[in-house]
Amino acid sequence: AQSVTQLDSHVSVSEGTPVLLRCNYSSSYSPSLFWYVQHPNKGLQLLLKYTSAATLVKGINGFEAEFKKSETSFHLTKPSAHMSDAAEYFCVVSDRNFNKFYFGSGTKLNVKP
Amino acid sequence: DAGITQSPRHKVTETGTPVTLRCHQTENHRYMYWYRQDPGHGLRLIHYSYGVKDTDKGEVSDGYSVSRSKTEDFLLTLESATSSQTSVYFCAISESLDANEQFFGPGTRLTVL
Repeated sequence: AQSVTQLDSHVSVSEGTPVLLRCNYSSSYSPSLFWYVQHPNKGLQLLLKYTSAATLVKGINGFEAEFKKSETSFHLTKPSAHMSDAAEYFCVVSDRNFNKFYFGSGTKLNVKP
Repeated sequence: DAGITQSPRHKVTETGTPVTLRCHQTENHRYMYWYRQDPGHGLRLIHYSYGVKDTDKGEVSDGYSVSRSKTEDFLLTLESATSSQTSVYFCAISESLDANEQFFGPGTRLTVL
């Protein structure tokens, strides 16, 4: 069975400082992993995805994530936070069976001026 | 943006009444999904479809039914709405299992009084 654990429900950083959002996954096979972002009262937008190619994945808006099989982790990072990054972030693992998605519970990122 | 619309965008209804939410896509994608979003739970899969008239249950399907009579439309029905079904509902589409990214609609906010 597939599952995702997002280790922090809230993260607060100052503008210009690094961002780290943590995600651990459980999968019975080599997974496909995603990060989505949701701004307040908006839909979900794909930030990046890992599908068994390069383990360091670059996404939009300066975000990147590294797949670490030995640690079953897929943490999301950004070198320098911007006020516009304030949003909720979801880590997702997909199921090979009809590509069903399993979401983590989300991490709300607050960016302080 | 992927061509996905949801209707209605907001609905308030009373316990015991039937409710139907519509998802419409213009992308001709084969796979369609209904999720609900609740605080602290991320998004959870209700039902999904892998083709016209081909549907199956997700992890939180009790109290919901779906229908897909055309490629472009996926309907979610609450036969007798309950307060526990107050939520935000998202539709998603996926072109193929290989592509495996899902594109999400704008959401429908449903309140059951």
